[in-house]
Amino acid sequence: GQNIDQPTEMTATEGAIVQINCTYQTSGFNGLFWYQQHAGEAPTFLSYNVLDGLEEKGRFSSFLSRSKGYSYLLLKELQMKDSASYLCVVDSNYQLIWGAGTKLIIKP
Amino acid sequence: DTEVTQTPKHLVMGMTNKKSLKCEQHMGHRAMYWYKQKAKKPPELMFVYSYEKLSINESVPSRFSPECPNSSLLNLHLHALQPEDSALYLCASSQAPTGAVGEQYFGPGTRLTVT
Repeated sequence: GQNIDQPTEMTATEGAIVQINCTYQTSGFNGLFWYQQHAGEAPTFLSYNVLDGLEEKGRFSSFLSRSKGYSYLLLKELQMKDSASYLCVVDSNYQLIWGAGTKLIIKP
Repeated sequence: DTEVTQTPKHLVMGMTNKKSLKCEQHMGHRAMYWYKQKAKKPPELMFVYSYEKLSINESVPSRFSPECPNSSLLNLHLHALQPEDSALYLCASSQAPTGAVGEQYFGPGTRLTVT
């Protein structure tokens, strides 16, 4: 089967750093996406990893290890507006497999 | 223009009504998608159009009927829906899926309530 695991909910403090982990078992792998979704809004693209290593984009970074079936999203200098759900999505043979999402709560 | 637009934003319909959801993009993307999302769940793929042809239909009931009139427009026709069909309906687009699926751009969604 195809499966993506990520924590259901995480809490962090404004200004801090948080790492959201994602593990996957899929029949194929063409790349891994992270999307952010605020409550009641559409998902927005954050990052895409296809090769092992770290991709940095401003306050957000995403890491991939294909041999371990593992990725993480690192958010630095957390702001209140970062409170949202973060969805890990794997392109498995051109079929997108969506994780259930991690709800991130930021406290002042 | 990196925007996907959807109309209407909200829709309330009875189980005997016929209505349509509309989606438009002007990014030259050749793949367009319909998703259904229930509260606190990830989006569920319903349909994929690639180069204006239906390429994926994820076993969606026939009361949902997609249509792609041209490369910029995507419609979802609704008929005889059930209350459990109430959800957020999201449209998305991406560059032609000649390789990996690629980054998807999502519209704001239509919040559908079936009474």
